[in-house]
Amino acid sequence: KAGVTQTPRYLIKTRGQQVTLSCSPISGHRSVSWYQQTPGQGLQFLFEYFSETQRNKGNFPGRFSGRQFSNSRSEMNVSTLELGDSALYLCASSLVNQRGNTEAFFGQGTRLTVV
Amino acid sequence: GENVEQHPSTLSVQEGDSAVIKCTYSDSASNYFPWYKQELGKGPQLIIDIRSNVGEKKDQRIAVTLNKTAKHFSLHITETQPEDSAVYFCAASRNFGNEKLTFGTGTRLTIIP
Repeated sequence: KAGVTQTPRYLIKTRGQQVTLSCSPISGHRSVSWYQQTPGQGLQFLFEYFSETQRNKGNFPGRFSGRQFSNSRSEMNVSTLELGDSALYLCASSLVNQRGNTEAFFGQGTRLTVV
Repeated sequence: GENVEQHPSTLSVQEGDSAVIKCTYSDSASNYFPWYKQELGKGPQLIIDIRSNVGEKKDQRIAVTLNKTAKHFSLHITETQPEDSAVYFCAASRNFGNEKLTFGTGTRLTIIP
């Protein structure tokens, strides 16, 4: 069974540009969450999508947005990039059962560098 | 919101000895506590988790304990091996699930051969 796939693995962008990152969850997983990982702030929750709807949101500015498609694939977008947006962006997928989400499986992440 | 504190930030252990990492959480409504291992260049990998209706869980050399009253939980690794070297993160969430994980700041564990 294929794991969580994130593309691209590495990305270099200039301040002010925008970027779109992609995440393909494990087959059958309908919940996709995004996290930002930096040395200073650690792992921080961005948002979670389930059935094409944003179900949870972290404390990030509106420049960070996302969406989920009918096949559960998800994208996140960051507009007007700032140097501080340089980070490893991680996507995690989960099954959803009657008790809620099951364990989260993480992808390898997209390393974004803003110059 | 939830706040998770993790200690120590770095830990060096002789191969074969035990390692213990501790976390505390602030939100009494949190009821799911997973532990992740992250190796260089990879995403976090779940190694064990515990729900608030259980006090202890063990999986081979790895165990987790939870004290709901004190709001802290710990990871115990016994008979450590060089491949245990990695960064370990604790996390907490509500709803027994992974909808919104709050992570600790991580512990870099080094196993000394």
